[in-house]
Amino acid sequence: KNEVEQSPQNLTAQEGEFITINCSYSVGISALHWLQQHPGGGIVSLFMLSSGKKKHGRLIATINIQEKHSSLHITASHPRDSAVYICAVRAGGAQKLVFGQGTRLTINP
Amino acid sequence: EAGVTQFPSHSVIEKGQTVTLRCDPISGHDNLYWYRRVMGKEIKFLLHFVKESKQDESGMPNNRFLAERTGGTYSTLKVQPAELEDSGVYFCASSHLGVNTEAFFGQGTRLTVV
Repeated sequence: KNEVEQSPQNLTAQEGEFITINCSYSVGISALHWLQQHPGGGIVSLFMLSSGKKKHGRLIATINIQEKHSSLHITASHPRDSAVYICAVRAGGAQKLVFGQGTRLTINP
Repeated sequence: EAGVTQFPSHSVIEKGQTVTLRCDPISGHDNLYWYRRVMGKEIKFLLHFVKESKQDESGMPNNRFLAERTGGTYSTLKVQPAELEDSGVYFCASSHLGVNTEAFFGQGTRLTVV
């Protein structure tokens, strides 16, 4: 079992829907990252969290340290949100990131 | 400010050949990481440089992989000789020193060994 698990692995929705992607991890962490990769593109950092909640535009990320769980929400989803969303954690005192397998999101017009 | 740059973007080589991947981090970033995604799997850590020193190379799969960062600027990752299972996308990331500094990723190099 991977140290970082994401669900769902694939998600298809209609434009305008509210999207939630979940990430659970089994190790103590110092930070959790949400990353985005568009088809054929590089990886872009969306959020880095160590507690609470962050919001940027239509994206919201939350983390519950006690439950070792984070969620990424997209409000009013749009076809341009179609991408792979990746959760990654910085475990304990380590500098390297440990990645989930990613969630492939497709938003249909 | 230029982002993290990787070269080449794609490489197709035959089994047994040598390939060298290059990563230019963001200027001033002392941390440099190499990661790899093999088909269908999650991205996995290969190694971490702080300036020119290897801080953690626990993810390097075997001695066919050699990473260098001469002068603490750009880094190279050489695979020699390449095997079929080395195919995947190799990502480089860089960040400032410090606790929980943001990592910036390159576009990746897609390596195909045939």
